[in-house]
Amino acid sequence: EAQVTQNPRYLITVTGKKLTVTCSQNMNHEYMSWYRQDPGLGLRQIYYSMNVEVTDKGDVPEGYKVSRKEKRNFPLILESPSPNQTSLYFCASSFPQSGELFFGEGSRLTVL
Amino acid sequence: KNQVEQSPQSLIILEGKNCTLQCNYTVSPFSNLRWYKQDTGRGPVSLTIMTFSENTKSNGRYTATLDADTKQSSLHITASQLSDSASYICVVPDGTGTASKLTFGTGTRLQVTL
Repeated sequence: EAQVTQNPRYLITVTGKKLTVTCSQNMNHEYMSWYRQDPGLGLRQIYYSMNVEVTDKGDVPEGYKVSRKEKRNFPLILESPSPNQTSLYFCASSFPQSGELFFGEGSRLTVL
Repeated sequence: KNQVEQSPQSLIILEGKNCTLQCNYTVSPFSNLRWYKQDTGRGPVSLTIMTFSENTKSNGRYTATLDADTKQSSLHITASQLSDSASYICVVPDGTGTASKLTFGTGTRLQVTL
């Protein structure tokens, strides 16, 4: 089954404790991206990757890191989480010219 | 700056009734517009895409329209069902049409009740 898999789905952590949210897709998509979704603000792009070893900042990259060492994986790293990073995070993938994003199920992160 | 505005923010309708959701965009040049459905606690899923040359497109009980002159799109839901309860998000890419440069609306939250 074609899918984008994120882990963990739910996480409660404390300020400053490094964490990684994994994302994996099995559709051979070149493009992958991370978004955060907050009430009233909609989906905002954090980072994206057009292909292996190619990453770029989105609209809200501060406090986040990413890497793209393999085509299927695109982990999101929070080196020192802060409470303002409490949010619902989505990973998505696509063929670049298609424009149709395939989203994961989301990861709800709470930073205390 | 590219913008996508959706209205209403939220909507409650009775099962079986019809409803129309609106999307206004200022993205230029225009290549396409896509509607996504997001069930509570799930990731968005594409419902339909409207390209510049298309005025109307149906996907079951969902019908999308596009007026490129006024830069408006609508999503009409016919004979609503409880399973239509979700957020509906309008998304427009920049002129290249690629996935990397998308402008998202904030969505319309639809609740269908008995």
